[in-house]
Amino acid sequence: DTGVSQDPRHKITKRGQNVTFRCDPISEHNRLYWYRQTLGQGPEFLTYFQNEAQLEKSRLLSDRFSAERPKGSFSTLEIQRTEQGDSAMYLCASSLDLYEQYFGPGTRLTVT
Amino acid sequence: KQEVTQIPAALSVPEGENLVLNCSFTDSAIYNLQWFRQDPGKGLTSLLLIQSSQREQTSGRLNASLDKSSGRSTLYIAASQPGDSATYLCAGGSYSGAGSYQLTFGKGTKLSVIP
Repeated sequence: DTGVSQDPRHKITKRGQNVTFRCDPISEHNRLYWYRQTLGQGPEFLTYFQNEAQLEKSRLLSDRFSAERPKGSFSTLEIQRTEQGDSAMYLCASSLDLYEQYFGPGTRLTVT
Repeated sequence: KQEVTQIPAALSVPEGENLVLNCSFTDSAIYNLQWFRQDPGKGLTSLLLIQSSQREQTSGRLNASLDKSSGRSTLYIAASQPGDSATYLCAGGSYSGAGSYQLTFGKGTKLSVIP
């Protein structure tokens, strides 16, 4: 197992388009997190899954954002009707219970 | 609401020097304190995790301490090397009002080690 993977690594899209990102956590990690990081800032929590259940969503996650984790395995994050303010690095992390969170390489989104 | 502050925002040191990065947090009810390294345009690499019952953790040239009562953590890097140049982030792990565990990050300290 090589760690958390994310796809794509980079995405450029036009304003108003929909985008979907994928995260594959470390095998057997039951917790999965999504964070967003803008330039010069630390990552900010977006949402959290324990197995397949989405247990919390940040107020940062507007109605245009939706996340899923079918069968408690990989997760997807979809942004509908993208806006320039959505441009950021989207990071996924996984953990086994309350131990260390391990982060993926991130997906850098640019909305033009 | 947990807030995490890191000072300084940037630090430049000559190779071989020992250095300390500072992290402060407002809510002492943290569960874990985790230090990360981030290279430009990359994801985060976990360096050290300190559980609330611990006071410090060590890994190679890195030593992290945690003082919950004062709301502070430090990351000590011994004998710095140019390869240590990166942004270092600290994050406090705590339970949200909704009962889920999440990390709250500082903005990071950008370290440059000059050969």
